[in-house]
Amino acid sequence: GDSVTQMEGPVTLSEEAFLTINCTYTATGYPSLFWYVQYPGEGLQLLLKATKADDKGSNKGFEATYRKETTSFHLEKGSVQVSDSAVYFCALIGYGGSQGNLIFGKGTKLSVKP
Amino acid sequence: DTEVTQTPKHLVMGMTNKKSLKCEQHMGHRAMYWYKQKAKKPPELMFVYSYEKLSINESVPSRFSPECPNSSLLNLHLHALQPEDSALYLCASSQNPQGDGYTFGSGTRLTVV
Repeated sequence: GDSVTQMEGPVTLSEEAFLTINCTYTATGYPSLFWYVQYPGEGLQLLLKATKADDKGSNKGFEATYRKETTSFHLEKGSVQVSDSAVYFCALIGYGGSQGNLIFGKGTKLSVKP
Repeated sequence: DTEVTQTPKHLVMGMTNKKSLKCEQHMGHRAMYWYKQKAKKPPELMFVYSYEKLSINESVPSRFSPECPNSSLLNLHLHALQPEDSALYLCASSQNPQGDGYTFGSGTRLTVV
């Protein structure tokens, strides 16, 4: 079945450091790919998405490129801030997928120190 | 309005109580979802409503009873819960059942005592 694997955390960085959170997926066909962010005590917010190969999703300085050849959707940010501290979930919906099949990775906790 | 609103934000209930969680969206989304999230885990799907009809029940115990009174509202009725049911309950919606990115509410933090 479809699945998402993302790097285990926690990840601790200093402010202004470069961030990469790795995400790879297994799916038949062409899934849509997402990054969600969950700040402490809150629900999930859609950070960015990409629906086809080579698409780049971007938002708030974060970027991820849909790489079909490597089945990856790595999250990057050039300069993190303390306010980026949160848990980040990579997720997919299978192509032509049935309802409710938003499949999550296990999440990566990011802590940014001043 | 681009939000999913959940009430209450926090709920403490005894094992013999009956309570309800509420979820509302006014984005015209036709699919709505209930998820359960335990600490340090990703959300787990519980129920899916598509065009106001229950379409998926992920083998959830009957002490959880969903209801969709109309296309904007989703309820989760709780009865005789167990302490292990304590979790963050998230509601989400999407434009259509196939999904194109879900919009999540901020959740209800439920504690069963």
